[in-house]
Amino acid sequence: QVQLVESGGGVVQPGRSLRLSCSASGFIFSTSAMHWVRLAPGQGLEWLALISYDRSNEYYADSVKGRFTISRDNSKSTLYLQMNSLRAEDTAVYYCASSDIGGSGLVRYFNYWGQGTLVAVSS
Amino acid sequence: DIVMTQTPLSLSVTPGQSASMSCKSSQSLLHRDEKKYLSWYVKRPGQSPQLLIYEASNRFSGVPDRFSGSGSGTEFTLKISRVEAEDVGIYYCMQSIQVPLTFGGGTKVEIK
Repeated sequence: QVQLVESGGGVVQPGRSLRLSCSASGFIFSTSAMHWVRLAPGQGLEWLALISYDRSNEYYADSVKGRFTISRDNSKSTLYLQMNSLRAEDTAVYYCASSDIGGSGLVRYFNYWGQGTLVAVSS
Repeated sequence: DIVMTQTPLSLSVTPGQSASMSCKSSQSLLHRDEKKYLSWYVKRPGQSPQLLIYEASNRFSGVPDRFSGSGSGTEFTLKISRVEAEDVGIYYCMQSIQVPLTFGGGTKVEIK
């Protein structure tokens, strides 16, 4: 069955970096657009970044643009999120999610989600 | 950015009764391909978010028919008929017609 397994979370000091990974199985990763979404304590879901199946397009939320970088390795069926210059407000559970893309090239929905990995930014 | 506004913030429902929640977008989510790029997700305690409804009214595979979605270009509704204890959680709408993708603030469903 479909599995998305995130890893790489932990406690990190403000200003430091962390790289999250998301290992995919059970579906054709190389043809799926992928995303990172986070859920901060007491907050709602926040979309962070999108990468197209072939890495030709990347999009980011303003809150992470210039600090976070999404990437993927289709040969390893793995998605990454490089997080630099971390702030206290980046503390959250980070989820990777796959999406279905329609004929118009738009994201139709997030069909599968990982279990999440917790990132805590604290001194 | 498209702003998604969900109401109410919370709902307390008796098992077997129905629940309804609203999601309004600041711009139309109706694309020229005639699809509405609005989906609904539920975040149950201790679980990852799960897709319930896509394109405003299509149930995702495996989602019980107690869940239904409807709506026009900017106003959408999720209805849960015959609420069960397992329906506890926070329900989010999301627009995907434009980047950045944006979620509503969520509606929390509790069981009486």
